[in-house]
Amino acid sequence: KAGVTQTPRYLIKTRGQQVTLSCSPISGHRSVSWYQQTPGQGLQFLFEYFSETQRNKGNFPGRFSGRQFSNSRSEMNVSTLELGDSALYLCASSLGPTGGNEKLFFGSGTQLSVL
Amino acid sequence: DQQVKQNSPSLSVQEGRISILNCDYTNSMFDYFLWYKKYPAEGPTFLISISSIKDKNEDGRFTVFLNKSAKHLSLHIVPSQPGDSAVYFCAARDPGTYKYIFGTGTRLKVLA
Repeated sequence: KAGVTQTPRYLIKTRGQQVTLSCSPISGHRSVSWYQQTPGQGLQFLFEYFSETQRNKGNFPGRFSGRQFSNSRSEMNVSTLELGDSALYLCASSLGPTGGNEKLFFGSGTQLSVL
Repeated sequence: DQQVKQNSPSLSVQEGRISILNCDYTNSMFDYFLWYKKYPAEGPTFLISISSIKDKNEDGRFTVFLNKSAKHLSLHIVPSQPGDSAVYFCAARDPGTYKYIFGTGTRLKVLA
């Protein structure tokens, strides 16, 4: 079974631009969560989608948005990029919503650098 | 405010000895805990979990202990191997929101 696939692996953008990151979950998984990892901050929760609906949202500004498609694939968008948005963005999938003792399976992440 | 804390940013252990990674949390309502291992340039991989109704869970060389009164969990790796060198994250689930809250990670280095 293929794992969680994130594209692209690396991305370089400049301040003010916008970016879209893509995540394909494990086949059969219907829940997708997004996390931001920065040095010293661990994994900060961005949002979770299940059956195309956002179930949870973290404490990030409205510049960060996401969506999930009917095939469970998910995209994350960041508009008006700031230098502080440079981070590793991780997508994780699970069979169902995370209320059911579901383990998260992570992709390799997209390393975003904002110059 | 960090609800899940891993106070040791790094740890070095000799091969064959025990590695103990610690994690503290602030919310007594957290009901499910997980440990993940992360190698550079890869996503975190699941190691072991424990429900709040248990105080210990074992899987091979990995054992997780949960002390609910102290709001503390620990991951024991016995015996430690060089391939265990990675960053370890603990995570706790908030049953009110079902969000997983991660700690900042501990970098384990197992010396051959």
